[in-house]
Amino acid sequence: AQSVTQPDIHITVSEGASLELRCNYSYGATPYLFWYVQSPGQGLQLLLKYFSGDTLVQGIKGFEAEFKRSQSSFNLRKPSVHWSDAAEYFCAVGPDRAAGNKLTFGGGTRVLVKP
Amino acid sequence: DAGVIQSPRHEVTEMGQEVTLRCKPISGHDYLFWYRQTMMRGLELLIYFNNNVPIDDSGMPEDRFSAKMPNASFSTLKIQPSEPRDSAVYFCASSGRQETQYFGPGTRLLVL
Repeated sequence: AQSVTQPDIHITVSEGASLELRCNYSYGATPYLFWYVQSPGQGLQLLLKYFSGDTLVQGIKGFEAEFKRSQSSFNLRKPSVHWSDAAEYFCAVGPDRAAGNKLTFGGGTRVLVKP
Repeated sequence: DAGVIQSPRHEVTEMGQEVTLRCKPISGHDYLFWYRQTMMRGLELLIYFNNNVPIDDSGMPEDRFSAKMPNASFSTLKIQPSEPRDSAVYFCASSGRQETQYFGPGTRLLVL
C-alpha cells in the first residue's frame, strides 16, 4: 500500500531564511506527487505537482520540489521565507490504482516563521 | 472558474440534530472527494465519487454518515444524528483525469 511520511511535525524558521520540508513516500510504480499548503482557517491549496519529466518542479509562491526516485523523496524548498508562508504543508502521493483514484496524504508539517 | 464551493462555511448545531453539508465541484471534474480534518486524526478521506457514483466509502465512520451526488454539480454529506465527536472541518475536493485534487474552503462544524 502506498504511504507518505513527513518526518517533521513542526519547523520554525526565521523570515528570510531558507526552508526545506521533507517528504518520503512508498509507492509501487512511478508516483504522482503533490505539495499542498493550508493557511489557518483555509482549505488546501496546490503548490506544485510532479507527474513525469524534469525532476525539479517549480510551483507557486516561489516554492520548488525535487523528485528523487532513489531516495523515495519529494522535498519542498524555498530559498527565502516570508511571514505569509506560515502555514501547514501536506505532501501527497497517488493515484492509488488498487483502490480507485485516491491520493494518500502525509500528516503535515506546520511551519512557524519568526520575525 | 469559481473553484470548489462549499456551504455552509460554519455550522453550529446541537447533539442529535441533522447536519447537511453541501459541495459544488469544479465544472468538468468527474471525481469528488469528501474529507474530514481534526487535530487528532489529521486529514481523513471519507468517501469519493466518480461520475456521480460512490466508489469507496470505507472511510465513512459509521452509519450516521451518508453522502450523495445526485448530479455532476452537487454533492451532500449528511450526519444524522450528529454527535460532539463529529466536530471537525469537512472538505470537499474535485479532480479531473490528472488526479490533481482541488479543495474547497471547508465547512467548520461544531456539535454541542
